Amino acid sequence: SQTIHQWPATLVQPVGSPLSLECTVEGTSNPNLYWYRQAAGRGLQLLFYSVGIGQISSEVPQNLSASRPQDRQFILSSKKLLLSDSGFYLCAWSVGAQETQYFGPGTRLLVL
Amino acid sequence: KNQVEQSPQSLIILEGKNCTLQCNYTVSPFSNLRWYKQDTGRGPVSLTIMTFSENTKSNGRYTATLDADTKQSSLHITASQLSDSASYICVPYSGGGADGLTFGKGTHLIIQP
Repeated sequence: SQTIHQWPATLVQPVGSPLSLECTVEGTSNPNLYWYRQAAGRGLQLLFYSVGIGQISSEVPQNLSASRPQDRQFILSSKKLLLSDSGFYLCAWSVGAQETQYFGPGTRLLVL
Repeated sequence: KNQVEQSPQSLIILEGKNCTLQCNYTVSPFSNLRWYKQDTGRGPVSLTIMTFSENTKSNGRYTATLDADTKQSSLHITASQLSDSASYICVPYSGGGADGLTFGKGTHLIIQP
């Protein structure tokens, strides 16, 4: 069966510090991978998605970036965090964009 | 612009009662519609996914309906349990890539004993 992992679960970082969130998927090959951010009282906002290694599409201009160094690994990064980067970050995978997405447990990020 | 409106924003019902959550969308074109359940502090979990040709789809005590003509969907929960307390998110998909998904803000459901 397929499993999706995210870490860390919780992170508190000072403004201006770097960020690296990791997501890995097990039990499937060549998945579509997604990074979402969820702010309180808001719907999920798509940040990045990838259909293959090294292929990243960005949906929202911001100080975040994503990379897919391996087929089942998706990394969300920032060189300098802003207060507005605080939120709940979710990684997800799917067989294709048409299909159901399966979400990870999420990372709660608080930037102080 | 694709939009999703879910109602009510929040709902409190007693354990054992039924409830229905509503979703109106203006997504076009339309490919499918998903309902997710999200427990507090957790990632969303898929309940159903329906194409335009499907009117009803069930997953245990959860039954989703879809009217692609009026662009409305509902999620009915039968014999609610305390574990049903969560946010329920409606997500229509217009096709194309991942940017074809439009996430609703969700209905926050609380089941009281």
